[in-house]
Amino acid sequence: DGGITQSPKYLFRKEGQNVTLSCEQNLNHDAMYWYRQDPGQGLRLIYYSQIVNDFQKGDIAEGYSVSREKKESFPLTVTSAQKNPTAFYLCASSGAWTVNTEAFFGQGTRLTVV
Amino acid sequence: SQQGEEDPQALSIQEGENATMNCSYKTSINNLQWYRQNSGRGLVHLILIRSNEREKHSGRLRVTLDTSKKSSSLLITASRAADTASYFCATDAGGTGGYNKLIFGAGTRLAVHP
Repeated sequence: DGGITQSPKYLFRKEGQNVTLSCEQNLNHDAMYWYRQDPGQGLRLIYYSQIVNDFQKGDIAEGYSVSREKKESFPLTVTSAQKNPTAFYLCASSGAWTVNTEAFFGQGTRLTVV
Repeated sequence: SQQGEEDPQALSIQEGENATMNCSYKTSINNLQWYRQNSGRGLVHLILIRSNEREKHSGRLRVTLDTSKKSSSLLITASRAADTASYFCATDAGGTGGYNKLIFGAGTRLAVHP
């Protein structure tokens, strides 16, 4: 069953803690993306990666970090520097080096600061 | 900053009616894509239109693209209650180093009433 899997579905973080959101895909896609969605809002790009060991900042990268050590995996760490981390986080993947390709999304992780 | 702006923000119609959503963007693009999101879920790709295409159909969906006006529209014909969802346009304008970079608008919330 090919797809993109995010875990956990729900995550609670205490103030000052770092937390890591998992994103795994078995679609053999080169490109992977992390988006943040606030209630009733669109998606804002946090980080994206086109190849292993390389990634680029999106529009709202401050307070977040990523790694891309394997093609299948693109974990996102929400650091204590992110002052308002409560949001819905979506991971996506697509074929890269190929113009005009669609993105496939995971089911999201809802992060809440308690 | 978000590339696309959808209009209207919310749309309420009766089953059987047509629904039209519009999207405007700011920069040159490789393609424009439309996605659907059911509440609290990931996004699902609906249709992709290349920058050199003007119209595309997929089932009950019709998408138009006017690159001179930097705008696109999504028409859903003969709507059903199951079409109730948020609809987003996304533009692929290329990121750093020519990488694919998908930027989303704020979305249109469609409610179809039986």
